[in-house]
Amino acid sequence: DGGITQSPKYLFRKEGQNVTLSCEQNLNHDAMYWYRQDPGQGLRLIYYSQIVNDFQKGDIAEGYSVSREKKESFPLTVTSAQKNPTAFYLCASSPIDRGRNLDTQYFGPGTRLTVL
Amino acid sequence: KQEVTQIPAALSVPEGENLVLNCSFTDSAIYNLQWFRQDPGKGLTSLLLIQSSQREQTSGRLNASLDKSSGRSTLYIAASQPGDSATYLCAVRANTGNQFYFGTGTSLTVIP
Repeated sequence: DGGITQSPKYLFRKEGQNVTLSCEQNLNHDAMYWYRQDPGQGLRLIYYSQIVNDFQKGDIAEGYSVSREKKESFPLTVTSAQKNPTAFYLCASSPIDRGRNLDTQYFGPGTRLTVL
Repeated sequence: KQEVTQIPAALSVPEGENLVLNCSFTDSAIYNLQWFRQDPGKGLTSLLLIQSSQREQTSGRLNASLDKSSGRSTLYIAASQPGDSATYLCAVRANTGNQFYFGTGTSLTVIP
């Protein structure tokens, strides 16, 4: 099956701890994204990457870090510097066409992070 | 910065009714617009993608229209069913840059 997987589905963290959320895709997509979703709000972009070993900050990157060592993987680390990390985190990927434009996005099932 | 708004935030309709969901955006310089469906606690599923040069797209009982000059898109659902109950989100991609901007969604409940 082709698709995007995120793990774990639920994650609990104590204040002051860093935690890493996994995102893997086997769609051979170049671009990958991390979004945060809070109740009553739309998706907000944390980081995105268009190519291995390169990534850009989104609108709310503070307190988060990412890496893109492999095309298939784009893990997100929520650091202790993130003041309000409890949220639903969604990973997405997208192909890049020959014109270097991005098309539709495909989403993973999400990880719900709760800080205790 | 692009702002995307969806009205209403929530909608309840009886089964079988036709309905329209609205999406508006502030910057008309978009590359494409996409409608998604999200079930509770799940990821997003793409429903329809409209390129900036297109006026509408259809898939089954769904029809999405785009009026770029007025900054509006609508998602029409015909003969609604209880299985259509979900949150519907629209997202736009600007002509420049590589970000997608999402609306806050419309939560739809179809009552049997």
